[in-house]
Amino acid sequence: EPEVTQTPSHQVTQMGQEVILHCVPISNHLYFYWYRQILGQKVEFLVSFYNNEISEKSEIFDDQFSVERPDGSNFTLKIRSTKLEDSAMYFCASRLDAGALGYEQYFGPGTRLTVT
Amino acid sequence: DQQVKQNSPSLSVQEGRISILNCDYTNSMFDYFLWYKKYPAEGPTFLISISSIKDKNEDGRFTVFLNKSAKHLSLHIVPSQPGDSAVYFCAASAPGDYKLSFGAGTTVTVRA
Repeated sequence: EPEVTQTPSHQVTQMGQEVILHCVPISNHLYFYWYRQILGQKVEFLVSFYNNEISEKSEIFDDQFSVERPDGSNFTLKIRSTKLEDSAMYFCASRLDAGALGYEQYFGPGTRLTVT
Repeated sequence: DQQVKQNSPSLSVQEGRISILNCDYTNSMFDYFLWYKKYPAEGPTFLISISSIKDKNEDGRFTVFLNKSAKHLSLHIVPSQPGDSAVYFCAASAPGDYKLSFGAGTTVTVRA
């Protein structure tokens, strides 16, 4: 069964460093998302991406964040200068633009980002 | 973001009995609702969904009920099994790019 994959599973970085989180969405999906979950808090939407551009972003997704789909399979989230409060689980998700077939998003296993 | 609320942080149920998880929402633009199950150190796994044009959707042991007038949905798991022990998230989305707004989750423990 197709699945969303994410690498690395755990990333430790120092404050101020740049990190790139990698995701491979399900191959025929057209919508891509990043969410994060800070320990003990809700899963929060960060950004959605469709047709090679950002379709929506949250207040969290400021100028320090960027997303890219560099080729036909990868979808990356970059944090330019990490802060302590960026420590969280980051989940990638994808959705098939299938209209009446549903709007389910399928999530990857997550990357645990620890900023020290 | 308090648009989706799960007011019960935990639920303990005996194996074989029914688990009922509740969720309330405030945004009247939401038209699609989903339940996800999450184990520790894993991503959320899609369970079942319902469109706002329906009031019930069933898939095996899982049934979701939607009461639009009350802005309330529930997930019934019958019968509950030990493998159902996990955190269950309610999520909702609105037309557009269908980003998900999540509730805080309910931790279900199924006792043998």
